Amino acid sequence: GQQVMQIPQYQHVQEGEDFTTYCNSSTTLSNIQWYKQRPGGHPVFLIQLVKSGEVKKQKRLTFQFGEAKKNSSLHITATQTTDVGTYFCAGKGGKLIFGQGTELSVKP
Amino acid sequence: EAEVAQSPRYKITEKSQAVAFWCDPISGHATLYWYRQILGQGPELLVQFQDESVVDDSQLPKDRFSAERLKGVDSTLKIQPAELGDSAMYLCASSPGTGPYEQYFGPGTRLTVT
Repeated sequence: GQQVMQIPQYQHVQEGEDFTTYCNSSTTLSNIQWYKQRPGGHPVFLIQLVKSGEVKKQKRLTFQFGEAKKNSSLHITATQTTDVGTYFCAGKGGKLIFGQGTELSVKP
Repeated sequence: EAEVAQSPRYKITEKSQAVAFWCDPISGHATLYWYRQILGQGPELLVQFQDESVVDDSQLPKDRFSAERLKGVDSTLKIQPAELGDSAMYLCASSPGTGPYEQYFGPGTRLTVT
């Protein structure tokens, strides 16, 4: 069945360093969504990518959807302590499947 | 801003007991989802409703779990009997439809089975 893998599982960075998480699907996706879950909180929608090769930016966050629509990445430039949390990709093939997430910790 | 409501926020129960969770989606949202999230993992879909109909319950352990959305608005997820392995966060989410919409999650119910 459809699987969505996300790496790395954990990332510890110094404030100001960049951060990237990668998402790979076993099947071609119709779209991919990214969510952020703060410690003790619930997932909050960040963005959706639909088109092959699509790149979207939200301030310091850059989201990419691969040409084959099987992978995606989230890059944060100059991390801040407010970026702490777990970032999930969720790929829609037949249904929306969440990756296992990348937990980001930021040391001030 | 409209939010998804869930109750209770926390539930401790003994194994073999019955437990129920309630979700009230954002008004007007036709699609409702129940997810289970184990610590350190991503949400896993248990059941998806479109209005009052079940669209997907392929991952719902039907021998002990049941879900209903009788009037197509709020929903209840029940576990009977609870097992130790059911300890997890149960998240409810809603979206306007089944298309490429973002999902709005509620605060979740943290279940601990002892």
